[in-house]
Parts: sequence; structure tokens; C-alpha cells
Amino acid sequence: LAKTTQPISMDSYEGQEVNITCSHNNIATNDYITWYQQFPSQGPRFIIQGYKTKVTNEVASLFIPADRKSSTLSLPRVSLSDTAVYYCLVGDMEYGNKLVFGAGTILRVKS
Amino acid sequence: DGGITQSPKYLFRKEGQNVTLSCEQNLNHDAMYWYRQDPGQGLRLIYYSQIVNDFQKGDIAEGYSVSREKKESFPLTVTSAQKNPTAFYLCASRRSGQEGSSYEQYFGPGTRLTVT
Repeated sequence: LAKTTQPISMDSYEGQEVNITCSHNNIATNDYITWYQQFPSQGPRFIIQGYKTKVTNEVASLFIPADRKSSTLSLPRVSLSDTAVYYCLVGDMEYGNKLVFGAGTILRVKS
Repeated sequence: DGGITQSPKYLFRKEGQNVTLSCEQNLNHDAMYWYRQDPGQGLRLIYYSQIVNDFQKGDIAEGYSVSREKKESFPLTVTSAQKNPTAFYLCASRRSGQEGSSYEQYFGPGTRLTVT
């Protein structure tokens, strides 16, 4: 399983765009990149998943360069409620394969 | 509403007692997972099951046991052999699908176990 490296924490202000970068130098050909969000005392919640280039949904964008050795989660115009831990996961999406959660990035949004 | 339920939300036990945590899903997912989370840490995989009557050890299976007799249920037993059982336990499930589809895991609300 590919190892991921993320910043331990980030601070931002309401209304700003936040970009969290994840390094995964050993990503394999079949690996997808997935981001989860977790609030205290709750289970993680899926945010976005991608394989290459750019993926966008209603809450975030995921940018993946051509070499796929890193990825960036972009949260547009964050609010206080976006304060959470964000996890980057890399893994083969074959059915049943386990995912490995690292320590994640603590995002603190201030007013 | 479809989803994953875990009960109870808080659980207290005396040291030396086995305790079973419940996890039920009505999402018709084949794969189910148990994770443990300690304060300020990421999730660590305890056990996972891809199909009924089959399960595999995760990274920290020692002191835990599971069963998968029904597709909907994946109970976790924390045995007295687990040296540090106090933690937040999360159950998840995941669907199979076509290649290229999203394979997100759906998580339950968690059970906070305290052993004294």
C-alpha cells in the first residue's frame, strides 16, 4: 500500500480557498486517491476520489498531476463548519481491498 | 434510510471482561470493516470481511475477534487479551461495483469504549 504524507495541520479564515496537498511517491498503477473528512467523535465522510487530472463535485476539487505522485484537495470558500481532520488515502479500488488511514491534516477555520 | 448503525454509542466495562460491539448495515454492501481510533490518531484497521463467513485480520487484530454470519452484521468482540481496549471504534462498509466507480467506505457513528 502506498504511503501518504500530509501536513499535520493548517489554519485558514472563513471565505478563503484551502488547498491540502498529499504526497504519495509510491503510488501504483491501479491506485485511486480518496479524501475523507472527519469531525470529532464521528465516522469519516467521503469527500472525493480521483485517478488522474481533475475531479470536481459539489463540495471540493481534486487535482492530480500527470505523475500522480501527489494530489491536492481544494476546498472553495471554507466556513467554520469545515474545521475537521482531512485524510488522504491511496489504494487499489478492487473490491474488498483495505484502505489505510494516516494521521490526516487538522484544518482549523477561523472567523 | 439506508446506513450503518453502531450500538451503543458509549460503552463502559471492567477490565477482564469481554465486550461485543454491534455493527449493522442495510446498504446491501458485501465488504465490512472495523477500525480503532485513539485520541489524535488516524484510523487503524482491526478486521475486515469481503463476504459472509469470511474475514481477514487487519493491522491490529490481536485481542479482537469478529464474525460474519449475515451480510448485514459484523460484530466485533474486544476480548480481555486486548491490553489497551479503551478507544473509539468505527465500523464501515463498502460496495462492489464497476471499475472506475467510486468505492467509498460508509462509516457508522462509532462506539466509544471505556475499560477501567
